Amino acid sequence: AQSVAQPEDQVNVAEGNPLTVKCTYSVSGNPYLFWYVQYPNRGLQFLLKYITGDNLVKGSYGFEAEFNKSQTSFHLKKPSALVSDSALYFCAVRGPTSGTYKYIFGTGTRLKVLA
Amino acid sequence: DAGITQSPRHKVTETGTPVTLRCHQTENHRYMYWYRQDPGHGLRLIHYSYGVKDTDKGEVSDGYSVSRSKTEDFLLTLESATSSQTSVYFCAISREGSGSRETQYFGPGTRLLVL
Repeated sequence: AQSVAQPEDQVNVAEGNPLTVKCTYSVSGNPYLFWYVQYPNRGLQFLLKYITGDNLVKGSYGFEAEFNKSQTSFHLKKPSALVSDSALYFCAVRGPTSGTYKYIFGTGTRLKVLA
Repeated sequence: DAGITQSPRHKVTETGTPVTLRCHQTENHRYMYWYRQDPGHGLRLIHYSYGVKDTDKGEVSDGYSVSRSKTEDFLLTLESATSSQTSVYFCAISREGSGSRETQYFGPGTRLLVL
């Protein structure tokens, strides 16, 4: 069965510092991996995804994520955090089974960027 | 946001009453999903649909049923609501396709309180 883990409930970082939000996954075969962001009282918004190819994926709002197959990780990163990045971040995985668009989400990590 | 609307946006009901939540999309996507979001649990898949009258269970399907009689509408029914079903419910669609096209779009959510 596919699963994702977000080991940190909350990450605090000072504005201007680099940030990392961690995600590890478990899936048979090659994974499809996603990051979503949720602002207060809103639905989730797509940030970026890894399907295949380059291990460093660039997404919206200056975010990027690094896929590491040996460590089964897909950590979200940003070189310089903004206060407006404060939100809830979700990692998600979809198994590669052909034709099955079924996604499993992590428990979420709350990012707080301090001014 | 792929034209996803949810109704109602807020609902208060009593234990034991049936409740139906509606998700409507305007873009004719095949895949539709119902998730619930709870603190500490993140986003959990309840049911999903891959076409008219084609549905399947997710991680937390007990106590819920779904129906999809038209491509654009996906209904979630709580047959007899319980307090444990107090949650925020999100509908989503999946844009299919290889590579860059695949992603999920989420509705604004329905906040349900079962007293």
